[in-house]
Amino acid sequence: DIQLTQSPSFLSASVGDRVTITCRASQGISSSLAWYQQKPGKAPKLLIYAASTLQSGVPSRFSGRGSEREFTLTISSLQPEDFATYHCQQIHSYPITFGQGTRLEIK
Amino acid sequence: HVQLQESGPGLVKPSETLSLTCTVSGDSITTYYWSWVRQSPGKGLEWIAFVYHTGNANYSPSLKTRATISVDTSKNQFSLRLSSVTAADTAVYYCARMGQGGSAYGTHDYWGQGTLVTVSS
Repeated sequence: DIQLTQSPSFLSASVGDRVTITCRASQGISSSLAWYQQKPGKAPKLLIYAASTLQSGVPSRFSGRGSEREFTLTISSLQPEDFATYHCQQIHSYPITFGQGTRLEIK
Repeated sequence: HVQLQESGPGLVKPSETLSLTCTVSGDSITTYYWSWVRQSPGKGLEWIAFVYHTGNANYSPSLKTRATISVDTSKNQFSLRLSSVTAADTAVYYCARMGQGGSAYGTHDYWGQGTLVTVSS
């Protein structure tokens, strides 16, 4: 199985900050990575797929980069509604796997 | 507007079989792959299985011996059965639509609200 490790696991930031979350794969996965946002008690929401393609309706302050083993999700200017948990997911090979999540909280 | 809704018992006894159904509206179940994903309390997401309308399915190796995913095209539903459950299977279970082609392959773009299943006697 391909393991995904997110860092940090917990992040405290302020409104207006620029934040970056990293997802590292245990082996190369090309660009087969997606990012999701999850708020408490809610289902995950797809933000980015194919490492850098923004899902329709997702604000442009979200961006994704990377390939093979290292990927990043950047939020350019945090808004109050962005405080949530973020998950990466690889689709390069089965089984589909997720990272452990990064919890983003208000400082 | 695509919507998914999970249904099934919220409480299952240990060693019994967990059964959940996902009803899809706003889209035909024949056009995409359909997944089950779970999340144990305070933990990350775990993919369980996906199915195509033909019945072709793929399972997580860790659950393959206990999980069965199926599809009912006449009802626009797909289902999950998980046998011999233990407390470790207590989780919120989500059904989701999975992209089947191009760069969106394997991404989950629509999700149900999730249903909490507790395994306890």
